[in-house]
Amino acid sequence: KNEVEQSPQNLTAQEGEFITINCSYSVGISALHWLQQHPGGGIVSLFMLSSGKKKHGRLIATINIQEKHSSLHITASHPRDSAVYICAVTNTGNQFYFGTGTSLTVIP
Amino acid sequence: EPEVTQTPSHQVTQMGQEVILRCVPISNHLYFYWYRQILGQKVEFLVSFYNNEISEKSEIFDDQFSVERPDGSNFTLKIRSTKLEDSAMYFCASSGTVRADTQYFGPGTRLTVL
Repeated sequence: KNEVEQSPQNLTAQEGEFITINCSYSVGISALHWLQQHPGGGIVSLFMLSSGKKKHGRLIATINIQEKHSSLHITASHPRDSAVYICAVTNTGNQFYFGTGTSLTVIP
Repeated sequence: EPEVTQTPSHQVTQMGQEVILRCVPISNHLYFYWYRQILGQKVEFLVSFYNNEISEKSEIFDDQFSVERPDGSNFTLKIRSTKLEDSAMYFCASSGTVRADTQYFGPGTRLTVL
C-alpha cells in the first residue's frame, strides 16, 4: 500500500516547456514536501507546505488539502532541471512517507 | 552556507559486522533524521531524533538499529549485525528549531554489505 502516489513516473520535456508533476496521498498530513534528487544521489528540499501555494524562482508548489493532492510546476524548464522529483508527507503521527519519484529529463 | 555532512561516503562491510554511519548536522538544528534508499527504490524514513531521544521510528528501524548523538555535534546510526538487505544509501537530515522546518539532507553514505 502506497500512502503517496506520484504521476507521471517518467517525464521527458523540451527545454522551455511548462511541467507539472502530481502527488496524491491517502493519509492525514501535517506537511507535504517536494524534494529534488540529483543524478548523483543528493537530495535537496524544494518546498514544505501545509496549505495554499509557494513559489521559488521557476518552481511553484500547490496543495489542496480537501482533495489530498499537490502539484509541482516548473516554468520555462531547462536541462539543469533534469532530476528525480519526490513528494513526501509527514502524517499527523509524525511519520514520513515518500512517493516513488518522478524522473524528469529536459532535452535542449 | 551551512551543510549537513556524512562520513564515510562509501562503506563496504561483511554480513554480520557492525557499522556506524556518521553525520554532522547543521550546528543550530535540533531535529535529526535518518533515511535509507535501496538502489532503484524510494526513500524510506528510518528514525527521527530530538532532545537526545528518538521521537518517531518506522517499522524498518528494528532492534538492529540504534542512533546516538554522542558529543553534541555528531549524529550516528549504528547497525549491529548487517544483513545483505541493509545495502542502501543512507541519508541523514536535520531541521531547525521547530519540527515543521525544512529538512537539509546530507550527501549520503552508500553501504554495501557483502
